[in-house]
Amino acid sequence: EVQLVESGGGLVQPGASLKLSCVASGFTFSDYWMSWVRQTPGKTMEWIGDIKYDGSYTNYAPSLKNRFTISRDNAKSTLYLQMSNVRSEDTATYYCTPYVYYGPYFDYWGQGVMVTVSS
Amino acid sequence: DIQMTQSPASLSASLEEIVTITCQASQDIGNWLAWYQQKPGKSPQLLIYGATSLADGVPSRFSGSRSGTQYSLKISRLQVEDIGIYYCQQASSAPLTFGSGTKLEIK
Repeated sequence: EVQLVESGGGLVQPGASLKLSCVASGFTFSDYWMSWVRQTPGKTMEWIGDIKYDGSYTNYAPSLKNRFTISRDNAKSTLYLQMSNVRSEDTATYYCTPYVYYGPYFDYWGQGVMVTVSS
Repeated sequence: DIQMTQSPASLSASLEEIVTITCQASQDIGNWLAWYQQKPGKSPQLLIYGATSLADGVPSRFSGSRSGTQYSLKISRLQVEDIGIYYCQQASSAPLTFGSGTKLEIK
């Protein structure tokens, strides 16, 4: 059974940094491109970016490229999202999710981790 | 970026009714489109991929279609368990983008 467990969220002040983690199990993590997707309290869905299965390539939403960094540790089956200089508009639930083998679609989702940016 | 214009924003329908939700892509995305259902308090679930292919385990009352750059999700006979928010997502090019969502309720 595929499991994705996100962690590292919480209340953070504007301008701070935060690192989210996602531990994957139930599939061969090192074979899959992975993405981060977030959902705002108003239910807007936004793709943050992705990382190639070997970690050699990353791609980001242009609006987030300068502040967010995606990385992975295949030995630990763990995906990371480093968030810097966070803003109130980064308040959202963050999901990690692998692409399915037949395209950039999301068939498996974790429970998500909430990040609240507020002073 | 490719914009996905989804409508309606909300929809109230009766049980057994046919429901249709649409997404208009701002440019050609071919069949690179998915539909997701998000039940209250849950993570999204993939319903349709490739514009018309049903994901594993999804009831056959759900179907997807395409006409040019307009995409539709149809629920043939609405059931109570179908309430939630529905999203389209284009998978043609990065950045991947989602529609704004359709909140479906039972009348």
